[in-house]
Amino acid sequence: DAGVIQSPRHEVTEMGQEVTLRCKPISGHDYLFWYRQTMMRGLELLIYFNNNVPIDDSGMPEDRFSAKMPNASFSTLKIQPSEPRDSAVYFCASRGFQVQYFGPGTRLTVT
Amino acid sequence: DQQVKQNSPSLSVQEGRISILNCDYTNSMFDYFLWYKKYPAEGPTFLISISSIKDKNEDGRFTVFLNKSAKHLSLHIVPSQPGDSAVYFCAASGMGGADGLTFGKGTHLIIQP
Repeated sequence: DAGVIQSPRHEVTEMGQEVTLRCKPISGHDYLFWYRQTMMRGLELLIYFNNNVPIDDSGMPEDRFSAKMPNASFSTLKIQPSEPRDSAVYFCASRGFQVQYFGPGTRLTVT
Repeated sequence: DQQVKQNSPSLSVQEGRISILNCDYTNSMFDYFLWYKKYPAEGPTFLISISSIKDKNEDGRFTVFLNKSAKHLSLHIVPSQPGDSAVYFCAASGMGGADGLTFGKGTHLIIQP
């Protein structure tokens, strides 16, 4: 089992550019979560899906952030336009029997 | 307002001794609690969990205790080993774990030889 796969692992971009983060959940898991980790706020939930349908997006900070899950094996988190305060580590997780399993994260730096 | 609090940013323990990490929560709707371990540049790794219907759960060297009336849980590691040095996150969820997780800020555990 490959676990949760995220790409890219590192992303450096300039302010104003569009950024797309990708996630492949563990096969058979029907919940997918996006989290963000910053020094100030720690790990916080952004959005989660159940069977590809968004359930709770109350953690998405602004309209600049959007997430999709077109099928059971793929999800994207998009930031457009990006700002320096979006710099953080973004984690994707999928859930199997009450436990969420995390990917390695994408470290995003917006200059 | 932090709903899950880990008041000790760091903890140093000698190898072979017991490590006790603490966590407090404020939201009465939380009914499932988890501990994750995190190494630098990696994602959090699941360690152990407990449902609100229990007060203790054991898995090898790891035991989690839940005191619902005090809204407090703790993770005991016995005996502590050098590989246990990491950041430990307490997390809570509603709906039996189906909801998103609310995390504490983490405790950096350092195991000294």
